Amino acid sequence: KAGVTQTPRYLIKTRGQQVTLSCSPISGHRSVSWYQQTPGQGLQFLFEYFSETQRNKGNFPGRFSGRQFSNSRSEMNVSTLELGDSALYLCASSPDPGQLYEQYFGPGTRLTVT
Amino acid sequence: ILNVEQSPQSLHVQEGDSTNFTCSFPSSNFYALHWYRWETAKSPEALFVMTLNGDEKKKGRISATLNTKEGYSYLYIKGSQPEDSATYLCGGHSGSARQLTFGSGTQLTVLP
Repeated sequence: KAGVTQTPRYLIKTRGQQVTLSCSPISGHRSVSWYQQTPGQGLQFLFEYFSETQRNKGNFPGRFSGRQFSNSRSEMNVSTLELGDSALYLCASSPDPGQLYEQYFGPGTRLTVT
Repeated sequence: ILNVEQSPQSLHVQEGDSTNFTCSFPSSNFYALHWYRWETAKSPEALFVMTLNGDEKKKGRISATLNTKEGYSYLYIKGSQPEDSATYLCGGHSGSARQLTFGSGTQLTVLP
């Protein structure tokens, strides 16, 4: 079974621009979660999607948004980029939402904002 | 949001040593505890998902225990090997917080 894939793997953007990151979950997995990791911080939860609906959202400004498509693929968008948005963005999939399922992580997208 | 803490922040051990680290979380309204291993340049990989007080899980030389009444979990590595070098993350779910909240991790370095 193919793992979770994320595109692009690396991205450099300028302050004020917007960016869209993509995540394809493991086949059959219907839940996708997004996390941000910055230096010195653990993984910070961004949001979780299931059946094309945002199920839960972390404590991030409205510039961070996401969506999920009918094939469970998910995208996250960050508008009006700030220097502090430079981070590794990970997505993770699981068969269903819920706390009992281990999450399968993708390789991440490294975003650099200059 | 659940407050999950891990200690120590980093650890250096010699090959062959056994080691353990701690994950602490609020005991009230606990639902599940996850452990992940994150090697450099790789994706985090699930080790265990634990839910019941007294749970003990094992995968090879790695094992974990869970005490939901006092709010902690221990991860043990027996006979550490250089390939065990990684950051070990724990994440907690509470009944009210449906998101997985991670601690800041324990960075383990096993010296040959």
